[in-house]
Amino acid sequence: QITLKESGPTLVKPTQTLTLTCAFSEFSLSTSGVGVGWIRQPPGKALEWLALIYWNDDKRYSPSLKSRLTITKDTSKNHVVLTMTNMDPVDTATYYCAHHHVGNAFDIWGQGTMVTVSS
Amino acid sequence: DVVMTQSPISLPVTLGQPASISCRSSQSLIYSDGNTYLNWFQQRPGQSPRRLIYKVSTRDSGVPDRFSGSGSGTDFTLQISRVEAEDVGVYYCMQGTHWPLTFGQGTKLEIK
Repeated sequence: QITLKESGPTLVKPTQTLTLTCAFSEFSLSTSGVGVGWIRQPPGKALEWLALIYWNDDKRYSPSLKSRLTITKDTSKNHVVLTMTNMDPVDTATYYCAHHHVGNAFDIWGQGTMVTVSS
Repeated sequence: DVVMTQSPISLPVTLGQPASISCRSSQSLIYSDGNTYLNWFQQRPGQSPRRLIYKVSTRDSGVPDRFSGSGSGTDFTLQISRVEAEDVGVYYCMQGTHWPLTFGQGTKLEIK
């Protein structure tokens, strides 16, 4: 069964760059139609989509955060990495990665990783 | 961006009674291939979101048949025929037709 797991720092300082890794299993990011997305959720607030990368290396970003985000994949290691620059306290949130297929969004989610931005 | 507006924001329901959540989009969610990419997610307290329904009305594997989705164009509904205690949580709609992908603000279901 498909699983995804996020990892990264729990605490980052303002202005620092956040790097999160999504390790997944039981699917391949070299399979046509497959993608992995990132979604975040500030404490007590709604879900917000951040970025998505497809099997063909097509990348999509939230326009409001595009200048700060980079998503990459390592197909051989079954990893997707999200970097977010210039972190601010408002970026404090739980960050999720999720399996995606063209026309079939976010059917499986990781457990999430909580990131706090504070000096 | 397509704005997804859910109502109500809070939904107190008696066990065994039905519940209904509305989701309206600021643009039609019909894609050029004829499909409508409207999804519903459930987030139980302390858990990750779980997809319940995709393409308006198709239930995911393992989702009880008391959950159903309906709607078209810009107006969609998630219905629970008989609410159970395990249904407590926040429900989100999400559109996958237009970039960027967008979620509703969530509807918190609680037991009255």
